[in-house]
Amino acid sequence: KAGVTQTPRYLIKTRGQQVTLSCSPISGHRSVSWYQQTPGQGLQFLFEYFSETQRNKGNFPGRFSGRQFSNSRSEMNVSTLELGDSALYLCASSLDIVLVGYTFGSGTRLTVV
Amino acid sequence: KQEVTQIPAALSVPEGENLVLNCSFTDSAIYNLQWFRQDPGKGLTSLLLIQSSQREQTSGRLNASLDKSSGRSTLYIAASQPGDSATYLCAVNSGGSYIPTFGRGTSLIVHP
Repeated sequence: KAGVTQTPRYLIKTRGQQVTLSCSPISGHRSVSWYQQTPGQGLQFLFEYFSETQRNKGNFPGRFSGRQFSNSRSEMNVSTLELGDSALYLCASSLDIVLVGYTFGSGTRLTVV
Repeated sequence: KQEVTQIPAALSVPEGENLVLNCSFTDSAIYNLQWFRQDPGKGLTSLLLIQSSQREQTSGRLNASLDKSSGRSTLYIAASQPGDSATYLCAVNSGGSYIPTFGRGTSLIVHP
């Protein structure tokens, strides 16, 4: 069965621009979570969507936003990019976080120049 | 607030050694604990998931144990190989939000 698909794999953007990343979860998974990973901070939770509703939110500024569609696909958007937004952005989907845990995608590497 | 610590942060061993990676957590009221592997620049690959009611899980050369009372989990890798070189992360699921707390990982290098 298909895994979690993230697109694009790599992105280079300029400071001040905005960017949209996409995540398609495993079929049947309604929960989609987003993480930012940097060498200095490790994995940091951004937000989680479940059935088109944001269910949990991490401690990130309002420039970071997301949404989930009726087919469970999710997008995250970062506006007014800063150099510090350069990171690996990871998406994880779950059927039931307690019973089966997370399945991660391969990530999107964002570089802000 | 749950805190997860992984020791050591980095490990370099010769091929063939048996390894133990450690994961400690502060709140023992957990739902589950999941071990992941991450290759450089890639996503996380799930290795083992241990439920709160379980003591251990095994998959091939990997064995993960869980001791809630002491707030510890260990990942045992038998007969290590160069292909095991990666960063290993543990994630502890606890609290009402069901959002796992991740450790910073152990970076493992197995040299031939």
